[in-house]
Amino acid sequence: DGGITQSPKYLFRKEGQNVTLSCEQNLNHDAMYWYRQDPGQGLRLIYYSQIVNDFQKGDIAEGYSVSREKKESFPLTVTSAQKNPTAFYLCASRPGLTNEKLFFGSGTQLSVL
Amino acid sequence: QKEVEQDPGPLSVPEGAIVSLNCTYSNSAFQYFMWYRQYSRKGPELLMYTYSSGNKEDGRFTAQVDKSSKYISLFIRDSQPSDSATYLCAMSAGSSASKIIFGSGTRLSIRP
Repeated sequence: DGGITQSPKYLFRKEGQNVTLSCEQNLNHDAMYWYRQDPGQGLRLIYYSQIVNDFQKGDIAEGYSVSREKKESFPLTVTSAQKNPTAFYLCASRPGLTNEKLFFGSGTQLSVL
Repeated sequence: QKEVEQDPGPLSVPEGAIVSLNCTYSNSAFQYFMWYRQYSRKGPELLMYTYSSGNKEDGRFTAQVDKSSKYISLFIRDSQPSDSATYLCAMSAGSSASKIIFGSGTRLSIRP
């Protein structure tokens, strides 16, 4: 079954801790994205990657880091520098830069303890 | 001013009604227009995808784009309780460097 898998579904972060959210896709898509969703604010772009070993900052990259060592995987680390990390995080992919259709994972809810 | 404006609702209508959801935008370079449906605490699911102006129909759903007014709409006919969700519009200019910009979403509730 092709799709995007995000894990874990729920994650809790302690003060000063870094946490990593996993995103894996088996759709053979080139581009992958991380969005943050807060109530009433829609989706805001954190980071995106168009090819392996390359990624760009989105609109709200501060306090986050990513890597793209494999085409299938695009993990997001929420660092201790992100002072307001509580949000719903969505990973997405798209077949190529000429195709505007985004496909989303099921999301990870991150909360601060 | 946001590039894409969407009324957050909530919008509540009786089952069987026709629903109209709308977005306005300011960037005249946008050419690709999408509607996503998102159930609570799930990932958005692509419903409709249109290029440039005009209408597109898929079952009970019709997407309409009016580029001259910078206005897009999603119509849902014969609405069902299972249509209760948040609907997000999204759009992009379509170039390799362009980003996909999302509206803030409209919460829709269909009353049985």
